[in-house]
Amino acid sequence: DQQVKQNSPSLSVQEGRISILNCDYTNSMFDYFLWYKKYPAEGPTFLISISSIKDKNEDGRFTVFLNKSAKHLSLHIVPSQPGDSAVYFCAARGGADGLTFGKGTHLIIQP
Amino acid sequence: GAGVSQSPSNKVTEKGKDVELRCDPISGHTALYWYRQSLGQGLEFLIYFQGNSAPDKSGLPSDRFSAERTGGSVSTLTIQRTQQEDSAVYLCASSLLGYEQFFGPGTRLTVL
Repeated sequence: DQQVKQNSPSLSVQEGRISILNCDYTNSMFDYFLWYKKYPAEGPTFLISISSIKDKNEDGRFTVFLNKSAKHLSLHIVPSQPGDSAVYFCAARGGADGLTFGKGTHLIIQP
Repeated sequence: GAGVSQSPSNKVTEKGKDVELRCDPISGHTALYWYRQSLGQGLEFLIYFQGNSAPDKSGLPSDRFSAERTGGSVSTLTIQRTQQEDSAVYLCASSLLGYEQFFGPGTRLTVL
């Protein structure tokens, strides 16, 4: 049973527009959420995170929104740039073990 | 400073052989994690080391998988009697505060 779900395997967005990546979770014990970005043949790199006590965290072009009642979070990238093309993983943490990851969304920024 | 490093970057082995994958975490990071990513799947948690505590092995898929962390630093993931379904990219991550994890480049394992 997947506890973190990214229902869109891929997303295509025009350069300069907003990219919105979505993530849903089922475990109400998750208290910290992260987004990772992954290029081919490289390990994931940390992008942005949010604690469950907040509903928004912003860092430059990246904003993460958390809706706890809906168990939903989203990553907004604006404006989208060609270098943003990558696979984005949503991850959640609750307890002492490792992160629980979604399957990822492949973001493609079109010129 | 140096990031997390992993070796080898690629490993091709025959079914039934044992393999060892190595991870060098960021110096000073107390937590170390192993994940794997199979084709078309997300990142799957395998095992977690925190300081000198007993590791959390809850994610290991079978008893053919084991891991050690010597001296609180370098870690080795061992897969015995490899099977074709073990083929995946094995990723190591380390962290200082237990939240933001820094990942290595991974080891791509192919079992023929």
